Amino acid sequence: NAGVTQTPKFQVLKTGQSMTLQCAQDMNHNSMYWYRQDPGMGLRLIYYSASEGTTDKGEVPNGYNVSRLNKREFSLRLESAAPSQTSVYFCASRDRVNNQPQHFGDGTRLSIL
Amino acid sequence: AQSVTQLGSHVSVSEGALVLLRCNYSSSVPPYLFWYVQYPNQGLQLLLKYTTGATLVKGINGFEAEFKKSETSFHLTKPSAHMSDAAEYFCAVSEGPTNAGKSTFGDGTTLTVKP
Repeated sequence: NAGVTQTPKFQVLKTGQSMTLQCAQDMNHNSMYWYRQDPGMGLRLIYYSASEGTTDKGEVPNGYNVSRLNKREFSLRLESAAPSQTSVYFCASRDRVNNQPQHFGDGTRLSIL
Repeated sequence: AQSVTQLGSHVSVSEGALVLLRCNYSSSVPPYLFWYVQYPNQGLQLLLKYTTGATLVKGINGFEAEFKKSETSFHLTKPSAHMSDAAEYFCAVSEGPTNAGKSTFGDGTTLTVKP
């Protein structure tokens, strides 16, 4: 099925470790987004990529970096994980030119001890 | 700038009762509005959207929403709740293709359906 695929689905890290969350979409969308979801706080935008080759900071970018590897893939990296980054991370993509809604992956549940 | 306010973080209804989830937005340009549903341990799924045209929009699973510009609202309704409707619901606003197509989400409303 077409959609947004995130890996891994679950991960436990120790404080200070690094890791990369992977996201790929097969809908030929130009825009991609990374969010974190915390209880009672909705979705907060971390970084986004309006189109291949561009990335920009969202609402809560500190402690994260991103790479738009190609049109399909948009990765999120935690260089030195902190307990405050324990969250559920969602990747989304969108055909913004045609005003289509965002399509979401199933999320990565990340715990940092 | 755009923002979304969902009134009521938790809503509880009886099975068969009317569901009403409230959403108010602000946007500096004509908004594009969305409702998403999230089931446990899953991502968000689109319920319905308003872009232009008819202000009453119908979505999946019997849900509908009405865009009221004068009230800056986009409330979600369903005439008769089912147990399977229990989930978290998010309202979102986008400024269309501008601003990188970013959406701003409300904090969510958890719907509980009592038997």
